[in-house]
Amino acid sequence: NAGVMQNPRHLVRRRGQEARLRCSPMKGHSHVYWYRQLPEEGLKFMVYLQKENIIDESGMPKERFSAEFPKEGPSILRIQQVVRGDSAAYFCASSSKQGDTGELFFGEGSRLTVL
Amino acid sequence: AQTVTQSQPEMSVQEAETVTLSCTYDTSENNYYLFWYKQPPSRQMILVIRQEAYKQQNATENRFSVNFQKAAKSFSLKISDSQLGDTAMYFCAFMKHVWGSGGSNYKLTFGKGTLLTVNP
Repeated sequence: NAGVMQNPRHLVRRRGQEARLRCSPMKGHSHVYWYRQLPEEGLKFMVYLQKENIIDESGMPKERFSAEFPKEGPSILRIQQVVRGDSAAYFCASSSKQGDTGELFFGEGSRLTVL
Repeated sequence: AQTVTQSQPEMSVQEAETVTLSCTYDTSENNYYLFWYKQPPSRQMILVIRQEAYKQQNATENRFSVNFQKAAKSFSLKISDSQLGDTAMYFCAFMKHVWGSGGSNYKLTFGKGTLLTVNP
């Protein structure tokens, strides 16, 4: 299966700990997007990355959150010193470098619970 | 900024019947895409149907079709012959096609969703 892979699917952290969420895009895709879904809400855009570059981070909280997409390996969304309000489902999506289909392919999400 | 409004938090329909989910959006853009995504209890986001704004013809995918009214900024989803497996949250989404320094930016704006329950 060459779909978007996210891990872990579920992550539990205590307040103040760090959370790292990983995303491997679909084969051949070099554009990665992170979205956050709070309870009872739609998904909200956080950040858009290409290999080794952050293209648009307008949806990222100013503190504690960071993202990267290294030349080798998955994209990582990192949340430092987590708080209860960070509890949410974090979705990764990818798109192809070329083409104009306007379609994102989503992973199954990583559910973060902060105790 | 774009906004997407889904005015029906919950809807229900009997199996085999037809249901329509509403979506309106606000934008000053002329070139964009509209989507309906389905999120079943498994939580995965599944693309149901997509519409390019420059196309006048309404998109259709098997039992799913849309009524796209560009002037009214309306994009409703019709599900025909509803099945139990259609039970899910349905999200309407808008994408402005932006060409950034690194290429295209497929940034989606989602509505809050409509929970559809198909009853046997």
